[in-house]
Amino acid sequence: GESVGLHLPTLSVQEGDNSIINCAYSNSASDYFIWYKQESGKGPQFIIDIRSNMDKRQGQRVTVLLNKTVKHLSLQIAATQPGDSAVYFCAENRGTGNQFYFGTGTSLTVIP
Amino acid sequence: GAGVSQSPSNKVTEKGKDVELRCDPISGHTALYWYRQSLGQGLEFLIYFQGNSAPDKSGLPSDRFSAERTGGSVSTLTIQRTQQEDSAVYLCASSKPIAAEQYFGPGTRLTVT
Repeated sequence: GESVGLHLPTLSVQEGDNSIINCAYSNSASDYFIWYKQESGKGPQFIIDIRSNMDKRQGQRVTVLLNKTVKHLSLQIAATQPGDSAVYFCAENRGTGNQFYFGTGTSLTVIP
Repeated sequence: GAGVSQSPSNKVTEKGKDVELRCDPISGHTALYWYRQSLGQGLEFLIYFQGNSAPDKSGLPSDRFSAERTGGSVSTLTIQRTQQEDSAVYLCASSKPIAAEQYFGPGTRLTVT
């Protein structure tokens, strides 16, 4: 399943399917991006990051894709599991300081 | 090792009272951030510390909000004369170098009645 993070904040997928969570950012000067996962009642946890000199980065079951031309970031989760159910946030650093700007988040629900 | 800790985990206060929220960052992390998260919303940046100084206070919503950090470690976020709209989860994060991965605490859930 796919979501456009800011417009469709809820995504439901079947266990075992792949998930794609999207994030649009606004500042072309942004040069560092992080995806966070936030489970209910907990603080956000780092999943994966990518710098603007890369288009793709892979982790364990997760891949982040960066398209600087259209200022778009996506998180792909392979073989989604019930433990992946959480809210996912993208965060961008605009290269001029230390503040990260967070997206509104996408709630992922995995259906067993 | 120990992560970021915050206290209290929950705080219920009456409108008009002052509250103090505490954050203990990971040892050695020089950068410390405070965020506010309302129910079902994203993270709203409040303030950032590098060491004991706060070069960016741009996110503090009003002069009722203030924060300090001592010894390059513990930070306290103070909200004076609390209002109902202050009800939210207040998250603290720390990082080693600046503009790097932030490690978040579990948050303090503030409810103003």
